[in-house]
Amino acid sequence: GESVGLHLPTLSVQEGDNSIINCAYSNSASDYFIWYKQESGKGPQFIIDIRSNMDKRQGQRVTVLLNKTVKHLSLQIAATQPGDSAVYFCAENPAAGGKLIFGQGTELSVKP
Amino acid sequence: GAGVSQSPSNKVTEKGKDVELRCDPISGHTALYWYRQRLGQGLEFLIYFQGNSAPDKSGLPSDRFSAERTGESVSTLTIQRTQQEDSAVYLCASSLYRSNQPQHFGDGTRLSIL
Repeated sequence: GESVGLHLPTLSVQEGDNSIINCAYSNSASDYFIWYKQESGKGPQFIIDIRSNMDKRQGQRVTVLLNKTVKHLSLQIAATQPGDSAVYFCAENPAAGGKLIFGQGTELSVKP
Repeated sequence: GAGVSQSPSNKVTEKGKDVELRCDPISGHTALYWYRQRLGQGLEFLIYFQGNSAPDKSGLPSDRFSAERTGESVSTLTIQRTQQEDSAVYLCASSLYRSNQPQHFGDGTRLSIL
C-alpha cells in the first residue's frame, strides 16, 4: 500500500554539526509534504512544509529538499542543538485537504 | 492563540468498557483529523471532518470506533468495547481548509486498556 518511509531509524550527531534526515515516499500524486518534530509525551510539532512545485524551501536553521524524480524528501538542520533531540516524521498529503500519510520516524539524538 | 486541546490527557480503563475522547480544534479551523499512534510508530489516519461534508471514515479500524463533530467545533472519538490492542495515543489535528495547509496537533490522549 501507500507509504512514506525513512531510511534511518536513529541518528546521532554532535552539537553544532548539521543533521540530515531522509524520507522516501511512494505516492507520485502527492503534492504537499510536511516535516514534524515530536518530543516525548507531546503531539507532532510542525517544522516546515513544501509543495510539489518547489524543490527546496528554507526556514530558520532548517531546509527541506524535494526530489520528485526519485520520490525523496530530506530535512537538513543546521548547527544542531540539544533542543533538537526528538523524533522527526515526514508526511505526505496525496489529496488536497485530506489525510496525511506518515513515515515511521527518525530519532535524532544530539550529543553535547 | 490557543492550540488544539485534547482531553483527557491520560485514560486507563478495563477491557470491554467504552471510552470517549475529546478534541477542541484551533478556532477558525474547518478541518479536523483523528490519528492513532502506537508506541514507537508513526501516525495512522482514522477519520477526517471538513465542514458540512460527509466525514472520511476510511481509516477507522473497526465498527467499534466512531467519531462526531459539532459544526466546526468540538469532536469526540468513541471506542466501544475496548480491546487491549486499542492501547495507543490518540491525536487530534486541525487545519484551515485550503489546499496544502499544515495540520496542527494536540498533545493527544494516552489510552491504556487493562
